[in-house]
Amino acid sequence: ETGVTQTPRHLVMGMTNKKSLKCEQHLGHNAMYWYKQSAKKPLELMFVYNFKEQTENNSVPSRFSPECPNSSHLFLHLHTLQPEDSALYLCASSQGAGLANYGYTFGSGTRLTVV
Amino acid sequence: DQQVKQNSPSLSVQEGRISILNCDYTNSMFDYFLWYKKYPAEGPTFLISISSIKDKNEDGRFTVFLNKSAKHLSLHIVPSQPGDSAVYFCAAKEDSNYQLIWGAGTKLIIKP
Repeated sequence: ETGVTQTPRHLVMGMTNKKSLKCEQHLGHNAMYWYKQSAKKPLELMFVYNFKEQTENNSVPSRFSPECPNSSHLFLHLHTLQPEDSALYLCASSQGAGLANYGYTFGSGTRLTVV
Repeated sequence: DQQVKQNSPSLSVQEGRISILNCDYTNSMFDYFLWYKKYPAEGPTFLISISSIKDKNEDGRFTVFLNKSAKHLSLHIVPSQPGDSAVYFCAAKEDSNYQLIWGAGTKLIIKP
């Protein structure tokens, strides 16, 4: 399988639940990203992993916890979320988080609803 | 403060005519600009890009123009086709930074 695959596509969770989003890429990319897309807002960068090392955490609340066990897989662990966290969560990958990184490949996203 | 702005939330164009999507930026250090296209329930896909050393880049029906002095870029689609109906995001980056800074997107609707 090629490209960036995200699972699940849709997720409804209560505020006391714990769930995880999964992202997988088979493009040989070395950098992976989590983005949040809320309605009518720009894409918000949440986390960046470059060669499995977290290089960016854009002031994301601790109720979001990323994990990158290898360069092909990225997880976003969720716990005690708030209704305002409902959004489309997008995973992306790129060749490397460096000067030559000109384009990202995105997954289809996970539509998260917190009730 | 948003560094990349797409001031038109939506745009409606007749099929066969030209679609022009606009993007303004405030950071003069940006040196690379990209356009992405997004269909509902899918992730954004890369469309076309331009380096700051150029003022125009063309790929088939898609042309991106860059006006550095005005800190403005635009995406032209001609002729517009129904399959072009999507949300278009403008993004920019600095040479020294791998992060892309995104606009809020413009929803393009192509009318038959």
